[in-house]
Amino acid sequence: GEDVEQSLFLSVREGDSSVINCTYTDSSSTYLYWYKQEPGAGLQLLTYIFSNMDMKQDQRLTVLLNKKDKHLSLRIADTQTGDSAIYFCAENSNTGKLIFGQGTTLQVKP
Amino acid sequence: DADVTQTPRNRITKTGKRIMLECSQTKGHDRMYWYRQDPGLGLRLIYYSFDVKDINKGEISDGYSVSRQAQAKFSLSLESAIPNQTALYFCATQQGGEETQYFGPGTRLLVL
Repeated sequence: GEDVEQSLFLSVREGDSSVINCTYTDSSSTYLYWYKQEPGAGLQLLTYIFSNMDMKQDQRLTVLLNKKDKHLSLRIADTQTGDSAIYFCAENSNTGKLIFGQGTTLQVKP
Repeated sequence: DADVTQTPRNRITKTGKRIMLECSQTKGHDRMYWYRQDPGLGLRLIYYSFDVKDINKGEISDGYSVSRQAQAKFSLSLESAIPNQTALYFCATQQGGEETQYFGPGTRLLVL
């Protein structure tokens, strides 16, 4: 079945780069997404990548997609304390539904 | 004003009570979704609707029901709440054919 896996926790120092990884199983996914959830808040779409792309860059965010290995990553350059949040990877299934990973809690230490 | 709103934002109820969570949207989207979030499990889909007359079960629909009263409104009901339904509930909307789902702010539910 469809499954999305993420590690649960990542801790970095302010100013370092953060890399959050995700693996998925549905090779027919058209889009893959990264959502951010700040404490006590809803989900905010950070970025998404179309499945025929390898990379997408948006300011401090870089998304890399390895379709062969079904591996998605989100790199945050110059990580700030305001980046502390839970980051969810998601794929869209062939029925149009989103399948989410468990979420990676990013802790940024000053 | 927020495009996707949920009411209430917080709710405490007792085991066995019936409760309803409401979701409204002003985005004009045809698709609406209900998810629940539990720590370490991510978001899981409860029900979804692609149009007013369309209702579909998601991954974890047992113990829940929904009503799509209008294109802009999608309600989630817990007929007889139980403690393991304590969670954060999110509504989302999407326009069919487009790639993005937009989430409401969430309803935090505690069942005692």
